[in-house]
Amino acid sequence: LAKTTQPISMDSYEGQEVNITCSHNNIATNDYITWYQQFPSQGPRFIIQGYKTKVTNEVASLFIPADRKSSTLSLPRVSLSDTAVYYCLVTKNFGNEKLTFGTGTRLTIIP
Amino acid sequence: DTAVSQTPKYLVTQMGNDKSIKCEQNLGHDTMYWYKQDSKKFLKIMFSYNNKELIINETVPNRFSPKSPDKAHLNLHINSLELGDSAVYFCASSQRVSKDIQYFGAGTRLSVL
Repeated sequence: LAKTTQPISMDSYEGQEVNITCSHNNIATNDYITWYQQFPSQGPRFIIQGYKTKVTNEVASLFIPADRKSSTLSLPRVSLSDTAVYYCLVTKNFGNEKLTFGTGTRLTIIP
Repeated sequence: DTAVSQTPKYLVTQMGNDKSIKCEQNLGHDTMYWYKQDSKKFLKIMFSYNNKELIINETVPNRFSPKSPDKAHLNLHINSLELGDSAVYFCASSQRVSKDIQYFGAGTRLSVL
């Protein structure tokens, strides 16, 4: 399964747009890119998933370039409640292969 | 209603004891998982069941035994608890495996003294 690399931590001020980039150089043709968010003392929560180009939902946007070797999670106008750990995963479209959570990116929003 | 619920939320016990953590999902999913998150916050899968059948079994000591009485429940029994078992244990479920969104419970914080 493709390994992912993302920054260990990031800080941002309230109201700014935050972009977290994830590298997955060995992504396979059938792999999807999935992001989860984890607040302290809670389980991870799905944010967004994409295969190529751009995906947007009510929470975030996901940008995936043509070579798919990286992806960027974009959080618009962050607030203090966006302080969390964000995990980037590469997930297969089929089969029983396990999810591998990396270290994640600890995002801290500053008032 | 909580989609994935696990009990207890906190568990404090002595070394050598046997304990169980229960998990239930009301999403109608076919697949359930147990994860362990240690003090360094690494989240690692332990087991996965699909329709009551074990499909993923990571390198976990034999003291850990999952049991799935039906596809809505996946319990985790731990024998002879050790200090290193202290962690937060998360249950999750998904429709199938891999790509499908996983829904996590709130976690069980296990402290072995």
